Amino acid sequence: GQNIDQPTEMTATEGAIVQINCTYQTSGFNGLFWYQQHAGEAPTFLSYNVLDGLEEKGRFSSFLSRSKGYSYLLLKELQMKDSASYLCAVMNSNYQLIWGAGTKLIIKP
Amino acid sequence: DTAVSQTPKYLVTQMGNDKSIKCEQNLGHDTMYWYKQDSKKFLKIMFSYNNKELIINETVPNRFSPKSPDKAHLNLHINSLELGDSAVYFCASSSDIREAHTDTQYFGPGTRLTVL
Repeated sequence: GQNIDQPTEMTATEGAIVQINCTYQTSGFNGLFWYQQHAGEAPTFLSYNVLDGLEEKGRFSSFLSRSKGYSYLLLKELQMKDSASYLCAVMNSNYQLIWGAGTKLIIKP
Repeated sequence: DTAVSQTPKYLVTQMGNDKSIKCEQNLGHDTMYWYKQDSKKFLKIMFSYNNKELIINETVPNRFSPKSPDKAHLNLHINSLELGDSAVYFCASSSDIREAHTDTQYFGPGTRLTVL
């Protein structure tokens, strides 16, 4: 089967750094997405990786290793507004987007 | 200005009723989707339409039917509503499902459906 695994919940402190991991097993690979979803709101796009390596975008970076079926989202200089769920999603060879259940990130002052 | 819009935002109804949720996108995208997000927060794809053709149809009950009058709209009709249908339903759109590097999906605000 196809599955995406990510931790259910993480807690971090304002101003710190947090890394949210995602491992996947899918039938083929056409890219990995990270989305942010605040409570009661729609998911919004954060990043897309299709080649191995690190993609940096401001305070957020996303890393991919296709051989390991692994990605992480790195959030630096955490702010209270970063409290949200972070969803990992992989596009398989049939162009279906397979979603993880999301990681709820709690930021404490 | 809204890229992907859905109506209604909240929908409360009785078991057995038939209801519809509307979705419109003004991004000029070719592909639109319907997702169901249950209480456990899993986003489950229900349907996607590309140029008015159904290209993904996960195993959802046939009480659910997508209808696309044109490329900018994908409405969701639900017949004989059941308690288990209570969830948040998200509409989304993307430019072209086969151009993965541009396949960022833009989500609507969601419709919270409660079946009593």
